[in-house]
Amino acid sequence: GAGVSQTPSNKVTEKGKYVELRCDPISGHTALYWYRQSLGQGPEFLIYFQGTGAADDSGLPNDRFFAVRPEGSVSTLKIQRTERGDSAVYLCASSLAGSSGELFFGEGSRLTVL
Amino acid sequence: QKEVEQNSGPLSVPEGAIASLNCTYSDRGSQSFFWYRQYSGKSPELIMFIYSNGDKEDGRFTAQLNKASQYVSLLIRDSQPSDSATYLCAVQTGGGNKLTFGTGTQLKVEL
Repeated sequence: GAGVSQTPSNKVTEKGKYVELRCDPISGHTALYWYRQSLGQGPEFLIYFQGTGAADDSGLPNDRFFAVRPEGSVSTLKIQRTERGDSAVYLCASSLAGSSGELFFGEGSRLTVL
Repeated sequence: QKEVEQNSGPLSVPEGAIASLNCTYSDRGSQSFFWYRQYSGKSPELIMFIYSNGDKEDGRFTAQLNKASQYVSLLIRDSQPSDSATYLCAVQTGGGNKLTFGTGTQLKVEL
């Protein structure tokens, strides 16, 4: 596709539920990132994939958060037992190479946990 | 101390003026520095990057880097209302595999 595609654009769920957020990066981009952005804050790093493997997951806040990229393209961020504090915009970005800071962001998935 | 610090603003400038946005960072080993622009309700988009001390110009935008002072800035000349957005400073850390963002400075260009 022309850009990074994220679905759903909006997700409202109840506390304790499980959610999945999907990211389809720009074709040919090997590096994929997940960030989280709360209101009035800058994006906060969660996890970075180079190909299929998670090269850096140091930003995942706890073990309720997990992400996969099984074929080196589409990635899914999974959140178990959601909490109200998980409410944020989840941004996916891709780049040609992991060493590049030139990230192309998707429009984000806004998660609201009631 | 936050890793990347920015004044949240809002910074208001009249149309046609120079807007100056500033950022400081804590990791002396940082090598690469980026400015992203984020319109309200939209995702960030890259507008400038700088790797070496000094100035880098691209159209109306100039990025300035001073590694000794751990300071990076963005100048926007001939500011336009369409420049009104939040400007995020980002620093490449962690071995070069991730960006650490500041909280952003909101810029308002007034007619």
